[in-house]
Amino acid sequence: AAGVIQSPRHLIKEKRETATLKCYPIPRHDTVYWYQQGPGQDPQFLISFYEKMQSDKGSIPDRFSAQQFSDYHSELNMSSLELGDSALYFCASSLPGGAGYGYTFGSGTRLTVV
Amino acid sequence: KQEVTQIPAALSVPEGENLVLNCSFTDSAIYNLQWFRQDPGKGLTSLLLIQSSQREQTSGRLNASLDKSSGRSTLYIAASQPGDSATYLCAVNRDDKIIFGKGTRLHILP
Repeated sequence: AAGVIQSPRHLIKEKRETATLKCYPIPRHDTVYWYQQGPGQDPQFLISFYEKMQSDKGSIPDRFSAQQFSDYHSELNMSSLELGDSALYFCASSLPGGAGYGYTFGSGTRLTVV
Repeated sequence: KQEVTQIPAALSVPEGENLVLNCSFTDSAIYNLQWFRQDPGKGLTSLLLIQSSQREQTSGRLNASLDKSSGRSTLYIAASQPGDSATYLCAVNRDDKIIFGKGTRLHILP
């Protein structure tokens, strides 16, 4: 079965650089969620999209932005990177009415800022 | 504000034992609860999803229960194996956003 695809798997950037993470949801899933997991931490909600519109926003820094495209894939853009942005970034997707169907997570992108 | 607590934070047991992982949440108005498994540096694998109207779900050696009124869920693992070693995360869903607990790091001793 198709899963949530995230790219790249690993990314190394220097401070103050920009990074773009991509997420391809499971076919027919129209809702995408982004989470950040720091070392030894639980995943923290960043932002979500439903039908290409932002549906909710969590603890996402102003330096970060995201969007969902017409094919439902999503991109998380991170600018002016800081050392503290080093983390695992997960994308999850769900069916319409996602609350009742649970969430499927991708394998994540490990971002290292040096 | 919803808070999710998992106890214990870490657990080591000999292979073959049955074990229980606990999850509690402060706001009982949830849509559902999911248990995930995470191997070090890896993604989140969904194990079981329990709807708010359900009491338990089973998958193989795993059984998860939900008592929404008391804000508790347990994950029961039968006949544990070394391959079960991982971090187990409980997550509650409300308002179409899931809140994770900090997880239980499980180590099964061969």
